Amino acid sequence: AQSVTQPDIHITVSEGASLELRCNYSYGATPYLFWYVQSPGQGLQLLLKYFSGDTLVQGIKGFEAEFKRSQSSFNLRKPSVHWSDAAEYFCAVGAASSGTASKLTFGTGTRLQVTL
Amino acid sequence: NAGVTQTPKFRILKIGQSMTLQCTQDMNHNYMYWYRQDPGMGLKLIYYSVGAGITDKGEVPNGYNVSRSTTEDFPLRLELAAPSQTSVYFCASSRPQQGLTEAFFGQGTRLTVV
Repeated sequence: AQSVTQPDIHITVSEGASLELRCNYSYGATPYLFWYVQSPGQGLQLLLKYFSGDTLVQGIKGFEAEFKRSQSSFNLRKPSVHWSDAAEYFCAVGAASSGTASKLTFGTGTRLQVTL
Repeated sequence: NAGVTQTPKFRILKIGQSMTLQCTQDMNHNYMYWYRQDPGMGLKLIYYSVGAGITDKGEVPNGYNVSRSTTEDFPLRLELAAPSQTSVYFCASSRPQQGLTEAFFGQGTRLTVV
């Protein structure tokens, strides 16, 4: 069964500092990987996704993530954090459809706090 | 574009009551999902559907039922509400093509059972 681990429950960074959120996954084949962001009281918005090809993927809002197969990781990064980035971030792994439902398995989330 | 729309946004139920959470999407997605989100637990899949007339259980289906009579709608039914069903519920949809599984989420329904 697929699983996702986000080891950091809560992270605090200063505005303008760099950010890295960790994500480790367990999946038997090549995974489809996602990062979603959830602002308070809102639904989930897709930041970026990895299916194949270049292991460094760019997303919205200046975020990027790097797929490292050898480490089973898909860490999210941003060079300079803005106060508006304060939110909860979820990493997810998806199964290939192959005629069956493609389902996402989510990590438990990392809450990002940004100090001014 | 409306995307995925959930109603209601908030609801308080008494133990033993029933209710239906509504979800509709206007993106012509064939796959739809219901997740529940509990603090510190991430999102857990309740039920999903690959198309009209086809539904299947997810990770935590007990206490819930679904139906999918149209492509657009995927309601979630709670028959006998219990305090353990206090949660935030998210509906999502996707249209997998060659294995792509990106899901689009609604704004959520916050349910409290007292």
